Order: sequence, then C-alpha cells, then structure tokens
Amino acid sequence: DAKTTQPPSMDCAEGRAANLPCNHSTISGNEYVYWYRQIHSQGPQYIIHGLKNNETNEMASLIITEDRKSSTLILPHATLRDTAVYYCIVEGGSEKLVFGKGTKLTVNP
Amino acid sequence: GAVVSQHPSWVICKSGTSVKIECRSLDFQATTMFWYRQFPKQSLMLMATSNEGSKATYEQGVEKDKFLINHASLTLSTLTVTSAHPEDSSFYICSARPVRGRGEAFFGQGTRLTVV
Repeated sequence: DAKTTQPPSMDCAEGRAANLPCNHSTISGNEYVYWYRQIHSQGPQYIIHGLKNNETNEMASLIITEDRKSSTLILPHATLRDTAVYYCIVEGGSEKLVFGKGTKLTVNP
Repeated sequence: GAVVSQHPSWVICKSGTSVKIECRSLDFQATTMFWYRQFPKQSLMLMATSNEGSKATYEQGVEKDKFLINHASLTLSTLTVTSAHPEDSSFYICSARPVRGRGEAFFGQGTRLTVV
C-alpha cells in the first residue's frame, strides 16, 4: 500500500503557484520523498525528490517539514501544460515505486 | 536525459491470443525494470519486478503464468500477456532507473492493450 496521503484534486489559476501537499507520517529515516506526474495517457514523469532538505530544480521546489512527516511540491508559475495527476511517493532503496491515488491538478486559464 | 522506450504504443488483439510488449532502456543499462498496469481513472499498480538474468518477482495477486516477463539483456525487458481476455485490456507501463535503488526512475510511454 502507498505510504502517502494526498488530496484527490486541486485547482490552480494559470500563472499562479500551485502548492501540492503530501502527508507521509510513517516515513522512515532512510526513505526519500519522490514526486512524479502523469499527463493523460502517458507514462509518469519524474519531477523532484528529497530526503530532508528542501530541493529546487527547473521544474519545481520541494519543501519537506522538519519532522519529515509531510511535504509540499511547489510549481512556481503553473501553466496549462501542468494539468496532470501528481504522485507523491516514499521509497527507501527497495527500488519499487508504489503509486498512491495522487492529486489531479487542473490549471485553469 | 535517460530514455525508456516501449513498443508497441497500442495493440488490439483477439481474445485467446498472446501479446508481447517490449521495454528498452536506450542509453543506460538496467538490471531491474518494473511493469505496471493502469485501468482507466485509476493509479498505476505495480505488477512485477523484472530481473536481468533471473526470474521476475511478481506482486501479490499477479498471475506469473498469465504475465510472462523476460529480461534477457541489460537494456530489454518483455512482458507477454498470454491467452488475453477482455479484462486484460489496460494501459501497461514499464520503468527503469539508471542508478539502482535511488534517483529518478524513467517510464516508458505506455502500451494501450485492447482485447476484443
């Protein structure tokens, strides 16, 4: 079973920041937080991952709370192409990525 | 960046026939690949772990005789759906990681299987 909890859906206005929360209260010390997204009828796409420090790349920022029990994915300036299902996954070396239900993000014009 | 390619992108087959789906890592070697299945409006469900040179590891409830997995080289894994039935119609996706056990995973574009 997935180790994460995400809201089923969110809406965001184009050009605004999209903040997607994820709860992972049972995360272990060696487990990373990964974020992927899936645009309709395509394979998932990697976004970002982190252990305990905040991370930023060209796609997004990942904010992990100090106790590591939750995190937030931030898309700083959402576009219509960011409409997708976003998956937060906790994984610690088992190699298997187990997907939960994710959050369906809709970016509105 | 690294690429994982699946073939075919879609396939329609008759009930009772077998269908083979290929998954290739194009610019890295993968001793392990993963196969997922996704039904409409549902999340990805991990079916099995494909291990190069050894038997695949199947998730609970997945029939190994129904879904044959072969990982004959470091860049190719195949999934064969044997004696396909309409309930096997689904979106099948493979993935692999350049660095085993950590870092980003790359996913194929998926294969849409329709059994008629």
